Amino acid sequence: AAGVIQSPRHLIKEKRETATLKCYPIPRHDTVYWYQQGPGQDPQFLISFYEKMQSDKGSIPDRFSAQQFSDYHSELNMSSLELGDSALYFCASRYAGGGMNTEAFFGQGTRLTVV
Amino acid sequence: AQTVTQSQPEMSVQEAETVTLSCTYDTSESDYYLFWYKQPPSRQMILVIRQEAYKQQNATENRFSVNFQKAAKSFSLKISDSQLGDAAMYFCAYRTREESGSRLTFGEGTQLTVNP
Repeated sequence: AAGVIQSPRHLIKEKRETATLKCYPIPRHDTVYWYQQGPGQDPQFLISFYEKMQSDKGSIPDRFSAQQFSDYHSELNMSSLELGDSALYFCASRYAGGGMNTEAFFGQGTRLTVV
Repeated sequence: AQTVTQSQPEMSVQEAETVTLSCTYDTSESDYYLFWYKQPPSRQMILVIRQEAYKQQNATENRFSVNFQKAAKSFSLKISDSQLGDAAMYFCAYRTREESGSRLTFGEGTQLTVNP
């Protein structure tokens, strides 16, 4: 079965650079979530999209932005990178339409290292 | 805001034995979902089990079962016949019953070690 695809899997950037993380949800899933997991920490919710519209916002820095495109893939754009942005970034998707309460499936994550 | 607390940073169990991981949560809602996720060294987040708050019956998935105490806001995970492959970080998580956009709120995690 198709899973959530994240790219790249690993990314190394220098401070003050920009990074773009991509997420391809499971086909027919209409909701995408982004989470950030620092070393030894639990995942923290950043932002979510439902049917290409932002549906919820968590502790996402102003330096970050995200969007969901017409094909439902999503991109997380991170600018002016800081050392503290080094983390594992998860994307998750689920189908929330039609009154169904299906579960979110996680991608394998993108490991971002800022040096 | 909802909070999830896991008071056991680390737990260990002998292979083939049973272990229980604890989780408590705080919410003002009456209808919601609770989950246990497993994160092995690969860092992949894997759903282990899910409980719907309006269901009184405790969820069970093979060797994994939960003890859901709604009034006490407690949600523990029991792993029976522990296997080496069960070694991982386990996260308890909460989600509202909203249809769209509802986020998962995670606990701090419990690192489970399985000893041969």
